[in-house]
Amino acid sequence: QKEVEQNSGPLSVPEGAIASLNCTYSDRGSQSFFWYRQYSGKSPELIMSIYSNGDKEDGRFTAQLNKASQYVSLLIRDSQPSDSATYLCAVSLAGGGADGLTFGKGTHLIIQP
Amino acid sequence: EAGVTQSPTHLIKTRGQQATLRCSPISGHTSVYWYQQALGLGLQFLLWYDEGEERNRGNFPPRFSGRQFPNYSSELNVNALELEDSALYLCASSFRSQPQHFGDGTRLSIL
Repeated sequence: QKEVEQNSGPLSVPEGAIASLNCTYSDRGSQSFFWYRQYSGKSPELIMSIYSNGDKEDGRFTAQLNKASQYVSLLIRDSQPSDSATYLCAVSLAGGGADGLTFGKGTHLIIQP
Repeated sequence: EAGVTQSPTHLIKTRGQQATLRCSPISGHTSVYWYQQALGLGLQFLLWYDEGEERNRGNFPPRFSGRQFPNYSSELNVNALELEDSALYLCASSFRSQPQHFGDGTRLSIL
């Protein structure tokens, strides 16, 4: 059974610092990896997608993938109070999550002003 | 560009009834996915429809079913509702291997 594990938190980070969110997955055949942000009472919003080993940067966000270690991370630089949310790691065996995404339970991130 | 739209926003039913939830994908998207987000359980994959066909199914009983229409919109039907079906039901859409984008969900409450 496919599993995605995240530390539930809360993870508390001072404003302006780097927030580091981690995720491990069980299925070595996983091909696609995503980070979604979910504000309380709202739907998940796609932040990053990554498909190959290494780093992928988009603005203040960097996703890191290590398939050998079955590990995905998300770094948020210059953290802002508006980054306070639950971050969901999602994994798929197919490109783009075409077979359906397996989600972790999310890490609750709090940015302290 | 309009995002994924879901209706109704809230739905209240009693045990044993049937619920129908609706989803319109982003224009140009051909795949629709349904997820259940129950308290404490996280987001769980329910169903995937593409080009009118059911392509994959999560670990849910057959009373969870759906369909996709020629315009790519979709319905999720839940029969014989149980208390544990109370959850936020999220629809997502995508085009081919592109990432999924979510709608705002339907909150289903079973009394």
